[in-house]
Amino acid sequence: GNSVTQMEGPVTLSEEAFLTINCTYTATGYPSLFWYVQYPGEGLQLLLKATKADDKGSNKGFEATYRKETTSFHLEKGSVQVSDSAVYFCALSTPVGSARQLTFGSGTQLTVLP
Amino acid sequence: DVKVTQSSRYLVKRTGEKVFLECVQDMDHENMFWYRQDPGLGLRLIYFSYDVKMKEKGDIPEGYSVSREKKERFSLILESASTNQTSMYLCASRPDRWEAFFGQGTRLTVV
Repeated sequence: GNSVTQMEGPVTLSEEAFLTINCTYTATGYPSLFWYVQYPGEGLQLLLKATKADDKGSNKGFEATYRKETTSFHLEKGSVQVSDSAVYFCALSTPVGSARQLTFGSGTQLTVLP
Repeated sequence: DVKVTQSSRYLVKRTGEKVFLECVQDMDHENMFWYRQDPGLGLRLIYFSYDVKMKEKGDIPEGYSVSREKKERFSLILESASTNQTSMYLCASRPDRWEAFFGQGTRLTVV
């Protein structure tokens, strides 16, 4: 079956530091890959996505590249801000077939200190 | 913008009560989901629905049921609430492909 493995948290960084959150996956077929962000007390919001190999998703200074050869989709940001403090979830979906095929990682808590 | 709306942000119920959590989406998506989120356990799928009146169990369906009488509305029912059902509940909808869209969450406390 499909699975997503995320870097364990929590991660604590100083403002303007470089961020990497690792994500690897196993899936049948050709999945689409996503990063979601959850701010305190809120639901999940889509941060970025990539739908095929070598695609780069980007949004709000965050980037992730779909690497089929290493089955990875690591999240990066060059300079984090206090407002980036949140929980980040990596996820995948497989095209067509069961709607059940939406799989999340366990989430990584990021805290950015001023 | 896609909107997924959950009926309550916070809810406090007593043990043994029947509890209804409502979710409405406005984008005509086929698929709707209920998750619960607990510290250290991530998101766990309770039930999902891929069409009106159709449902499938997720990973942790025990103690829950669902109803989907209209395409835009997906209800989660706790038949007899227990303290171990205290959690954050998240509703989501999505078309057959691509990303899911989430509601703001309902924090349920059972006392």
